[in-house]
Amino acid sequence: DAKTTQPPSMDCAEGRAANLPCNHSTISGNEYVYWYRQIHSQGPQYIIHGLKNNETNEMASLIITEDRKSSTLILPHATLRDTAVYYCIVEPKTSYDKVIFGPGTSLSVIP
Amino acid sequence: SAVISQKPSRDICQRGTSLTIQCQVDSQVTMMFWYRQQPGQSLTLIATANQGSEATYESGFVIDKFPISRPNLTFSTLTVSNLSPEDSSIYLCSAARGSEQYFGPGTRLTVT
Repeated sequence: DAKTTQPPSMDCAEGRAANLPCNHSTISGNEYVYWYRQIHSQGPQYIIHGLKNNETNEMASLIITEDRKSSTLILPHATLRDTAVYYCIVEPKTSYDKVIFGPGTSLSVIP
Repeated sequence: SAVISQKPSRDICQRGTSLTIQCQVDSQVTMMFWYRQQPGQSLTLIATANQGSEATYESGFVIDKFPISRPNLTFSTLTVSNLSPEDSSIYLCSAARGSEQYFGPGTRLTVT
């Protein structure tokens, strides 16, 4: 069963912020929001995760709404290399849990 | 982080044969997983490779078709048996460390 819904595709101009939304209305209290991305012909790459507070790292920022039913991944200055499929995943935070991928959002960064 | 390598990176196999894919992690990890990614699709989890015990398979995947070994904490193999053209896919392994998963580059299998 899909725990998250994402738009199938988005475009973003190079140099602009890319804001990728994700809905996870059935998220439970012990589940974290994870984001991965898959650049063409590569394996998926971890980006960021969070529980309820906003998070930022060198790659992106994660904004989670107060009710935790949705979140937004922000790439502050998108480059052509950010063109990829972005997956929003809701999972408990342990290293023992499998990651179940939905269809994701295909982001195209346009020059 | 963890660095994961897979061998082979790609192969072309005849119908009815088998292919064994190797996955090596640069350090010990608790959990390893195998995924399949069909052309233009998202990743589908095949199984969890358990060290010292049988793999745990997801619905729709069976041990006879996808036998998995996990002899130690850094290595696993996936065999795709009795190949048919429908098995043409990319097969990826992953390893969990802490709260993150790391993925190998994938093995592209073409069955003729």
